[in-house]
Amino acid sequence: EVQLVESGGGLVQPGGSLRLSCAASGFTFSTYSMSWVRQAPGKGLEWVSGVGPSGATTYYAESLKGRFTISRDNSKNTLHLQMNSLRAEDTAIYYCTRILSYRSDHWGQGTLVTVSS
Amino acid sequence: DIQMTQSPSSLSASVGDRVTIACRASQSIRDYLNWYQQKPGKAPKLLIYAASTLQDGVPSRFSGSGSGTDFTLTISSLQPEDFATYYCQQSYSTLVYTFGQGTKLEI
Repeated sequence: EVQLVESGGGLVQPGGSLRLSCAASGFTFSTYSMSWVRQAPGKGLEWVSGVGPSGATTYYAESLKGRFTISRDNSKNTLHLQMNSLRAEDTAIYYCTRILSYRSDHWGQGTLVTVSS
Repeated sequence: DIQMTQSPSSLSASVGDRVTIACRASQSIRDYLNWYQQKPGKAPKLLIYAASTLQDGVPSRFSGSGSGTDFTLTISSLQPEDFATYYCQQSYSTLVYTFGQGTKLEI
């Protein structure tokens, strides 16, 4: 059974940093692209970032370039999202997803990031 | 980034109704279009991919159509469990898969 379990969310002050992780199991992690999608409270889904199977290729929503960094550790079946210079508008649930042929076929339960002083 | 626009933003309907949700892309995305369903407090669930292919386990009352820039999601006969928010997503742009703003389907 495919499982994606996010962790690392919490309360952080504006300007601070946070590193999210997503532990994957139940499939061959190193053969799939992965992504992060977020959802601000009461709002819609927003694509954050994607990474290819090897980790060599990374992609970001235009509005987030430069502050967020996606990475993966295929030896540990783990996806990461390093978030720097956080702002109040980054407050959201962050979901990890598996990409199968151009679609997110599995989603984690999400981890909540709150940016507030 | 490719922009996705859904209409309507919200929709009131009754059990048994046929409903259609529209999604338009800011440029041609061929058939790289997915639909997701999200219920309150839950992660989204994939319903349809490649514009018209039903994900395994999804009831056949759901269907998708379209190509290029204009797409639709149709629910042929609404069931109580279908009241949720629906999102379209383009997957034409390499690993920058933008979403529509969502359509909330209410009783």
